Amino acid sequence: DAKTTQPNSMESNEEEPVHLPCNHSTISGTDYIHWYRQLPSQGPEYVIHGLTSNVNNRMASLAIAEDRKSSTLILHRATLRDAAVYYCIHGYGGSQGNLIFGKGTKLSVKP
Amino acid sequence: DSGVTQTPKHLITATGQRVTLRCSPRSGDLSVYWYQQSLDQGLQFLIQYYNGEERAKGNILERFSAQQFPDLHSELNLSSLELGDSALYFCASSVYPGQNTEAFFGQGTRLTVV
Repeated sequence: DAKTTQPNSMESNEEEPVHLPCNHSTISGTDYIHWYRQLPSQGPEYVIHGLTSNVNNRMASLAIAEDRKSSTLILHRATLRDAAVYYCIHGYGGSQGNLIFGKGTKLSVKP
Repeated sequence: DSGVTQTPKHLITATGQRVTLRCSPRSGDLSVYWYQQSLDQGLQFLIQYYNGEERAKGNILERFSAQQFPDLHSELNLSSLELGDSALYFCASSVYPGQNTEAFFGQGTRLTVV
């Protein structure tokens, strides 16, 4: 199974940037890096994904290391609504695209 | 709202019984995934369908089965239920299987086996 390593928990202050790290040293050259988050009592929600280049969307930015063994999800201004478990995933099973979730990072946001 | 609809939202049943969970994917999505989330195991991939065909299997028990129908909705059947099957069951859908796509998850069905 694809394996990623993330901190169990992180804390942030509201309206400050948050950098969530992820190590994926066993990633293959064709595996995409995905980030999902799960708010309390809800299903997982897509955040962002990328292959090699850094990616930006309305929710976050994804910075991928040059050797692709690690990546960082950046929330530019954390809000209370961003408190969630953030999962970093890299592709499993080639074209099948099944997401294999780890334990994720629980992000707390303080007002 | 992700566009993925799961019914029922809650289900309470007794050990030994059989239940069916239903998932309607987002309009236009051909691929459906089922996941189980329990407190001690986290989110576990169960099975994936694409356009009616089984595409990949994960940690799905033999007592569990699923199918995707011609209208693309999917059902997950759980039989001979045990206390340990109590969990949240999520369905997700994507336009096609593959890594360069995003999956949309439903709100889940909370199954309680008593």
